[in-house]
Amino acid sequence: DIVMTQSPDSLAVSLGERAAINCKSSQSLLYYSNNKNYLAWYQQKPGQPPKLLIYWASTRESGIPDRFSGSGSGADFTLTISSLQAEDVAVYYCQQYYSVPHTFGQGTKLEIK
Amino acid sequence: QVQLQQWGVGLLKPSETLSLTCAVHGVLLSGYQWTWIRQSPGKGLEWIGHIDHSGGITYNPSLESRVTISVDTSKNQFSLKLPSVAAADTAVYFCARRKLIPLGGGLDHWGQGTLVTVSS
Repeated sequence: DIVMTQSPDSLAVSLGERAAINCKSSQSLLYYSNNKNYLAWYQQKPGQPPKLLIYWASTRESGIPDRFSGSGSGADFTLTISSLQAEDVAVYYCQQYYSVPHTFGQGTKLEIK
Repeated sequence: QVQLQQWGVGLLKPSETLSLTCAVHGVLLSGYQWTWIRQSPGKGLEWIGHIDHSGGITYNPSLESRVTISVDTSKNQFSLKLPSVAAADTAVYFCARRKLIPLGGGLDHWGQGTLVTVSS
């Protein structure tokens, strides 16, 4: 199985400041035939299912604010929130869909400082 | 508007069978993969498997010997069965829609989740 490791486990950022969450996979998620990284990012708030933010490592899902961006390639990825809003408090997960089973990171809890 | 509505028994005894169903509203099953995921404090988010409208199935190898995912296109719904449950199967179970790879592959719509507790 591909192991997904997120860092940090928790993060406190001031409103309006930048937040960055890292995700490292135990093997490359880059599919050479289409030059796509098979990685997604999700946001989960208490009592709710996860919500898709980013797929292909850097493509924002429809309706997601542009303060959310994804970057990285191969085995190292980052989710960045450019200007933290109060409603962004949540747990964030990365997921690889390069190979079965489609594994998730352990989650990063984002709070307001 | 796409909605996934899931239901099933929430309290099971060890060795009983977990059975969950997810009804899909607003879109036909074809063109997507329909996924089950569970979430527990100890194991985090765990991908169980997915099925397409024609019955093509992929399971998590760690659960493959126990789990069955099926689809009923006439009712536009899909189901999960997990027999012989144990305490380790206690989790919130989610159904979700997966976009096919050419469209990105992410899980873009989710059910509300069902807490399944296994306890004697």
